[in-house]
Amino acid sequence: DAGVTQSPTHLIKTRGQQVTLRCSPKSGHDTVSWYQQALGQGPQFIFQYYEEEERQRGNFPDRFSGHQFPNYSSELNVNALLLGDSALYLCASSFTQVAKNIQYFGAGTRLSVL
Amino acid sequence: AQSVTQPDIHITVSEGASLELRCNYSYGATPYLFWYVQSPGQGLQLLLKYFSGDTLVQGIKGFEAEFKRSQSSFNLRKPSVHWSDAAEYFCAVGADNTDKLIFGTGTRLQVFP
Repeated sequence: DAGVTQSPTHLIKTRGQQVTLRCSPKSGHDTVSWYQQALGQGPQFIFQYYEEEERQRGNFPDRFSGHQFPNYSSELNVNALLLGDSALYLCASSFTQVAKNIQYFGAGTRLSVL
Repeated sequence: AQSVTQPDIHITVSEGASLELRCNYSYGATPYLFWYVQSPGQGLQLLLKYFSGDTLVQGIKGFEAEFKRSQSSFNLRKPSVHWSDAAEYFCAVGADNTDKLIFGTGTRLQVFP
């Protein structure tokens, strides 16, 4: 049983560019959450998707957007990249019918903005 | 405002010694509490969780945590640390009325042989 998988593992972009990160949830899970983890910090909640809609959003600008597909996989898009967007981006999945807060994390995508 | 505080940035223990990592939370609703561990270059692995009931919860890898409502604390303990426990540990809080987890800044555990 595969856990949460994220791609790519690492990514290097330059300021102003756009990036798309991908996440496949754990088998049986229907909810995907995205977090940003800056170096030396705890993860910060970006948003959560359920039934292909954004259910809740953290304190992140509109440059951060997402999508959930019918197979429950998800994408995180960041436009107009800033140096401060450099971080580890973590995807977490959960099963809403059990408890949406019991979230299982992938290994993350390391984004470097130059 | 909701918050989680992990007062210890870095802890060093000897292998075989006992361990306690501190976590304090501030949350108006009934909290759900979690401990996660992150090894270098890895994602977060769930160690244990508390939703309700018995305030002492058991987790994986021999870890346990105790919820103390009066102290707004959820400290993580292990009676005998192994070298493989060296990692970053994060405490997090959630609730029934929110979808997000709020994390502390983490405690880095170093284990000496």
